[in-house]
Amino acid sequence: DAKTTQPNSMESNEEEPVHLPCNHSTISGTDYIHWYRQLPSQGPEYVIHGLTSNVNNRMASLAIAEDRKSSTLILHRATLRDAAVYYCILRWIQGAQKLVFGQGTRLTINP
Amino acid sequence: EAGVAQSPRYKIIEKRQSVAFWCNPISGHATLYWYQQILGQGPKLLIQFQNNGVVDDSQLPKDRFSAERLKGVDSTLKIQPAKLEDSAVYLCASSLPFRGAGTEAFFGQGTRLTVV
Repeated sequence: DAKTTQPNSMESNEEEPVHLPCNHSTISGTDYIHWYRQLPSQGPEYVIHGLTSNVNNRMASLAIAEDRKSSTLILHRATLRDAAVYYCILRWIQGAQKLVFGQGTRLTINP
Repeated sequence: EAGVAQSPRYKIIEKRQSVAFWCNPISGHATLYWYQQILGQGPKLLIQFQNNGVVDDSQLPKDRFSAERLKGVDSTLKIQPAKLEDSAVYLCASSLPFRGAGTEAFFGQGTRLTVV
């Protein structure tokens, strides 16, 4: 499985944008970039995914570098409810569809 | 739509005892995952089913852990005998069949196991 590297922790203020980086220098052409987050005492939940182009949904935006070796999850206006551990995961387009988590980034939101 | 159901929510056992966890995935979800999450770490994939067949169990400690998914729906994960280091949250997740790597997985609330 291709690896991802994320900062252990980040901190931001409420109502400000948050940019969560992820490095995946060994990504292959058939790997999708997925983001999940885990709120305290809950199971992980899907946030967004993409392959090459930037993606937007109601929760967040995903900006993917042109060489695909890095990506950034963008929370446009953070709220206290966005405090969670965010996981960047690579999933192969074919095969067993494994979902392998790393350590993630613990995001703290200050009021 | 009902989510992934897991039971029990909490379990405390003594070491060397056995324990079983149950998972009911979302209706129609062919893929089912079991994860172990130790405090402060990311979830670790133990086993993945596609219908009632095992796709990946490379991280499952087979000397003490077992899992089954009868009829391709509900699943149980068993530990026998339990060790102190098995104390963790056990998460179940499910997803629709493969749709080009964009398939979203849905997670249950987990079962918190404490081995004393």
